[in-house]
Amino acid sequence: GAGVSQSPSNKVTEKGKDVELRCDPISGHTALYWYRQSLGQGLEFLIYFQGNSAPDKSGLPSDRFSAERTGGSVSTLTIQRTQQEDSAVYLCASSLVASGRAHEQFFGPGTRLTVL
Amino acid sequence: GENVEQHPSTLSVQEGDSAVIKCTYSDSASNYFPWYKQELGKGPQLIIDIRSNVGEKKDQRIAVTLNKTAKHFSLHITETQPEDSAVYFCAASPGGNNRLAFGKGNQVVVIP
Repeated sequence: GAGVSQSPSNKVTEKGKDVELRCDPISGHTALYWYRQSLGQGLEFLIYFQGNSAPDKSGLPSDRFSAERTGGSVSTLTIQRTQQEDSAVYLCASSLVASGRAHEQFFGPGTRLTVL
Repeated sequence: GENVEQHPSTLSVQEGDSAVIKCTYSDSASNYFPWYKQELGKGPQLIIDIRSNVGEKKDQRIAVTLNKTAKHFSLHITETQPEDSAVYFCAASPGGNNRLAFGKGNQVVVIP
């Protein structure tokens, strides 16, 4: 079956511009996550959506970052007024979640964002 | 919050030898410990995971061990092959919200 897809695969933008990154999770997965991976670093949690619950936004680094998930499926991560330090690979993952029991997170290929 | 550390940062092994990567975690409430393999230009892929109610799990050439008392877990790769060369990430989750705290990764190089 289809895995997690992300678009675009690469995005180059100028400092100060806004960008939108898209994630299509695996069909039927109720949980969706965004992570950021800077060069040579591990994955940094950004935000988590689970069903109709309020998202866990505790990992968003500033109020320039926001995300939404429409209809419990597709998610968009928006970065406003981009800065050079926002340059990174943005990874999306989805999983099944049942009764708080952790399940495998399936990752997409990521979007490489470069802010000039 | 959870803090996960990995050692060593880079590991080179001869083809056929074993590779071991260790991770420590800080939150005793964590109960799920996955290992991911990331190849260049791709997203991380789960290779094995373990829950806190078991001490060891094996899948062919890959095994993971967990020591809850010491709060560390290790990835063991036996009979390494060139295709095992990648970056390996460990992670830990307290399970309540399924978010993962990742280590910074280990670059494993298998020398033919």
